[in-house]
Amino acid sequence: EAQVTQNPRYLITVTGKKLTVTCSQNMNHEYMSWYRQDPGLGLRQIYYSMNVEVTDKGDVPEGYKVSRKEKRNFPLILESPSPNQTSLYFCASRFGGDGYGYTFGSGTRLTVV
Amino acid sequence: AQSVTQLDSQVPVFEEAPVELRCNYSSSVSVYLFWYVQYPNQGLQLLLKYLSGSTLVKGINGFEAEFNKSQTSFHLRKPSVHISDTAEYFCAVSANTGGFKTIFGAGTRLFVKA
Repeated sequence: EAQVTQNPRYLITVTGKKLTVTCSQNMNHEYMSWYRQDPGLGLRQIYYSMNVEVTDKGDVPEGYKVSRKEKRNFPLILESPSPNQTSLYFCASRFGGDGYGYTFGSGTRLTVV
Repeated sequence: AQSVTQLDSQVPVFEEAPVELRCNYSSSVSVYLFWYVQYPNQGLQLLLKYLSGSTLVKGINGFEAEFNKSQTSFHLRKPSVHISDTAEYFCAVSANTGGFKTIFGAGTRLFVKA
């Protein structure tokens, strides 16, 4: 089944404790992206990657890191999480052209206390 | 730069009634337009998209949307809704210039009542 797999689904952590949210896709998509969803704000792009070893900042990149060492994986790293990073996070992937729609993961609900 | 405005944050409607969810966009270049649906505790799923050609686009689950270039709108419609259509709906736009950027609206929560 074609899918984007995120782990974990739920995570509660403390301020300052480094964490990684994993994302993997099995569709050979070139383009992968991380979004955060907050009430009333819709989805805001954190980082995106156009292919292996090619990443760039989205609209809200502060406090996040990413890497793309393999085409299928695109982990999101929070080096020192803070409470304002409490949110619902989505990984998404698609083929490279802008006319392709995204396939989304099921989301990771992160709470930083 | 592109932007998307979804004009209603919540839309309550009775089962079997028609519904329209409104979306306006702004862009200085040609765009592709999308509607996604998010059911509770799930990720977003693509409902339909407009790339070019016919301005009326049909999607899954009986939804359709009409692209209106002069009004810069892309409203989503369904002639008769079901309880199972209760979800959040997102309009999105991307420029067809290879910029790799998709902008999402804030979402419209559709609540279908029995």
